[in-house]
Amino acid sequence: ETGVTQTPRHLVMGMTNKKSLKCEQHLGHNAMYWYKQSAKKPLELMFVYSLEERVENNSVPSRFSPECPNSSHLFLHLHTLQPEDSALYLCASSQDRRSGGELFFGEGSRLTVL
Amino acid sequence: AQKVTQAQTEISVVEKEDVTLDCVYETRDTTYYLFWYKQPPSGELVFLIRRNSFDEQNEISGRYSWNFQKSTSSFNFTITASQVVDSAVYFCALSEWWGYGGSQGNLIFGKGTKLSVKP
Repeated sequence: ETGVTQTPRHLVMGMTNKKSLKCEQHLGHNAMYWYKQSAKKPLELMFVYSLEERVENNSVPSRFSPECPNSSHLFLHLHTLQPEDSALYLCASSQDRRSGGELFFGEGSRLTVL
Repeated sequence: AQKVTQAQTEISVVEKEDVTLDCVYETRDTTYYLFWYKQPPSGELVFLIRRNSFDEQNEISGRYSWNFQKSTSSFNFTITASQVVDSAVYFCALSEWWGYGGSQGNLIFGKGTKLSVKP
């Protein structure tokens, strides 16, 4: 139990569907992150939120839309995805984004796009 | 550009053997951080160690040890007397020093080394 919970753990969606991934952290952290882990590429940072403000967006396509309503919750809204978006999406949190503390990861949401 | 190379895609050992996971990195920064994470089958990445670029002392934690050599840009990880529970994918990662304005979450990961420890 890392203190970072992701739901759903598995998701299958068609290219025209709209779905959302949810992340919740129970650690009192101020920074949250979305990472993508696909079979063909190393882990890639997608978004960084610090105190509910998006501070980094690493050239992610607009079909991925993050939302951070408060410091404990992070969403990744998905729409009109492509099959190559199939991957494990990992959420992480840290005390803040420059404290030097470690990242705590959730177990990930395995997404399959048909 | 920053890059992390883990040349070993998969390693298989028998329990109680020692195993070393290699990590070579590239960066133009003079100050940076190196990490190792473990990813068990459950999926979450578990933090193992963070090392600052200005601290080249090797570190030992139980059966784990890390050898950091700036001269060869390597940060290798050794597991002594491996156990079945060590079976996982291990990732080496690099980040710029966040004093430059970057985010500590902006880690550059290697592709990982899958370690299988057989009884």
